[in-house]
Amino acid sequence: EVELVEAGGAFVQPGGSLRLSCAASGFSFSNYWMHWVRQAPGKGPVWVSHIHHDGSRTTYADSVKGRFTISRDNTKNTLSLQMNNLRVEDTGVYYCARAAGLDYWGRGTLVTVAS
Amino acid sequence: DIQMTQSPSSLSASVGDRVTITCRASQDIRNDLGWFQQKPGKAPQRLISAASTLQSGVPSRFSGSGSGTEFTLTISRLQPEDVATYYCLQHNRYPPWTFGPGTKVEIK
Repeated sequence: EVELVEAGGAFVQPGGSLRLSCAASGFSFSNYWMHWVRQAPGKGPVWVSHIHHDGSRTTYADSVKGRFTISRDNTKNTLSLQMNNLRVEDTGVYYCARAAGLDYWGRGTLVTVAS
Repeated sequence: DIQMTQSPSSLSASVGDRVTITCRASQDIRNDLGWFQQKPGKAPQRLISAASTLQSGVPSRFSGSGSGTEFTLTISRLQPEDVATYYCLQHNRYPPWTFGPGTKVEIK
């Protein structure tokens, strides 16, 4: 059974940093593109970043480019998102999701950016 | 970037009613579209891939159709457990992957 479990969400002040992780199991992690998607309170989901199966290519939403870095460790079946210079508008639940069509999602981890 | 729109933004229907949600893309996305259901406090769950392929375990009252720029999600007989917000997602031209704004479905 495919399982994705996010961790690392926390309360942080504007300008701060946070590192999220996503532990994958139940499938061959190294064969799949992976994504981060976020959802602000009361809003719809918004794609944040993606990484190729081997880490050779990464892409980002304009709103996070230069501040967020996605990475993966295929030996540990783990996806990460390093978030720097956080803004109030980065607040939301962050989900990891699998594959080009985002077929499976984790339960999410809450990031709150506020002073 | 491809923009996705959905209509209606919300609807209220009776149990047993047929419900139709429309998603439109700003450019041709072939059939690279998924439909997702999100219940309060839960992660989105994909119901349909490739515009019309029902995911394993999803009730057969859900169906999808369309290609190109116009797509439809239909619930043939609305059930109480279908109360949720429904989103479409295009994965044809990326980045970015883009979601529709959502349709909130309630029971009358």
